[in-house]
Amino acid sequence: NAGVMQNPRHLVRRRGQEARLRCSPMKGHSHVYWYRQLPEEGLKFMVYLQKENIIDESGMPKERFSAEFPKEGPSILRIQQVVRGDSAAYFCASSPGQGIAKNIQYFGAGTRLSVL
Amino acid sequence: GQQLNQSPQSMFIQEGEDVSMNCTSSSIFNTWLWYKQDPGEGPVLLIALYKAGELTSNGRLTAQFGITRKDSFLNISASIPSDVGIYFCAAQGRSSNTGKLIFGQGTTLQVKP
Repeated sequence: NAGVMQNPRHLVRRRGQEARLRCSPMKGHSHVYWYRQLPEEGLKFMVYLQKENIIDESGMPKERFSAEFPKEGPSILRIQQVVRGDSAAYFCASSPGQGIAKNIQYFGAGTRLSVL
Repeated sequence: GQQLNQSPQSMFIQEGEDVSMNCTSSSIFNTWLWYKQDPGEGPVLLIALYKAGELTSNGRLTAQFGITRKDSFLNISASIPSDVGIYFCAAQGRSSNTGKLIFGQGTTLQVKP
């Protein structure tokens, strides 16, 4: 299966701990996006990355949140010192970055973060 | 900021009926997309629209990119129980520097067999 892979699917953390969410894009895709979804709501953009570069982080909270997409390995969304309000589903998407469908995004199954 | 208004919020229909939902905005977009999300899963792409006025079908699904570039609709014909789920419209702006998607609030579809 060459789809977008996210892990873990479920993550439980206590307040103050760190959460690390991983995303491997579809084969051949070099662009990765992270979105957050609260219950009963649509997805909200967080950050857009290409290999080793952050292109748009306009949706990222200013503190505690960071994202990277290294030359080798998956993209990581890191949340430090989690609070209850961070509980949500976090989705990763990837796109080819070229061609007519260059920005068409395909989503992973998400990581559901619960903060106790 | 850019915002999509999706309606209706929810629909409860009989199997075999046709369904229509739409998204509107005060902003102009270059691309409109329609996704379906099942509980506990990520959004799955249904249809992508690239040009104003474009009408595209995918099986029983038909979507159109509004001529003003500010709206889009999705029709589902002859609904079946597996059509149940949440449907989201999404749009991308004119800037080529960011591929970020703006999402609507979703339309929850329930189909009665």
